[in-house]
Amino acid sequence: DAKTTQPPSMDCAEGRAANLPCNHSTISGNEYVYWYRQIHSQGPQYIIHGLKNNETNEMASLIITEDRKSSTLILPHATLRDTAVYYCIARDDKIIFGKGTRLHILP
Amino acid sequence: DTEVTQTPKHLVMGMTNKKSLKCEQHMGHRAMYWYKQKAKKPPELMFVYSYEKLSINESVPSRFSPECPNSSLLNLHLHALQPEDSALYLCASSTPTGKNYGYTFGSGTRLTVV
Repeated sequence: DAKTTQPPSMDCAEGRAANLPCNHSTISGNEYVYWYRQIHSQGPQYIIHGLKNNETNEMASLIITEDRKSSTLILPHATLRDTAVYYCIARDDKIIFGKGTRLHILP
Repeated sequence: DTEVTQTPKHLVMGMTNKKSLKCEQHMGHRAMYWYKQKAKKPPELMFVYSYEKLSINESVPSRFSPECPNSSLLNLHLHALQPEDSALYLCASSTPTGKNYGYTFGSGTRLTVV
């Protein structure tokens, strides 16, 4: 699995877009980028994934750079319920979690 | 049914006890996983089952014994655990490659070894 680097923590005002960066400069061509989040005391929750095209679903958007060395998860209108640890994972098969970004949504 | 159900939610056991954690899914997923999560740390992969066969053991001590009796069930048998094994144990399932839909995780069993 490619190593990923994320900031340890971020703040975002409620109602604003939360942009969470992830660096995966050693990603290989067949490794997907996945995002999960873990709200306190719950199991991780799948958010979105992509290979090289930008993706959007009901939860978030994923922007992957053309060289695939980094990506950004966008939560378009953050709410207090989005407070969680967000994990970026670059993988071909099994999921290995890094340290993630602790996102605080400020009222 | 789009859930992974883990039981029990909480478990306290002594170091000489034998107990089992149970995980169940009815999504037709043929890959199932056990993760261990210590406080303020990311989940760590323990075991992977694919088509009911153990495919990955991440050098887990033998006091943890996984079992996959059928495609919907995954158990983790615990014996002679140590206090440092206290953690949140998470089960997940996916399609065999997990590439198209990601993993679905349960809420976990919080284990305390006394």
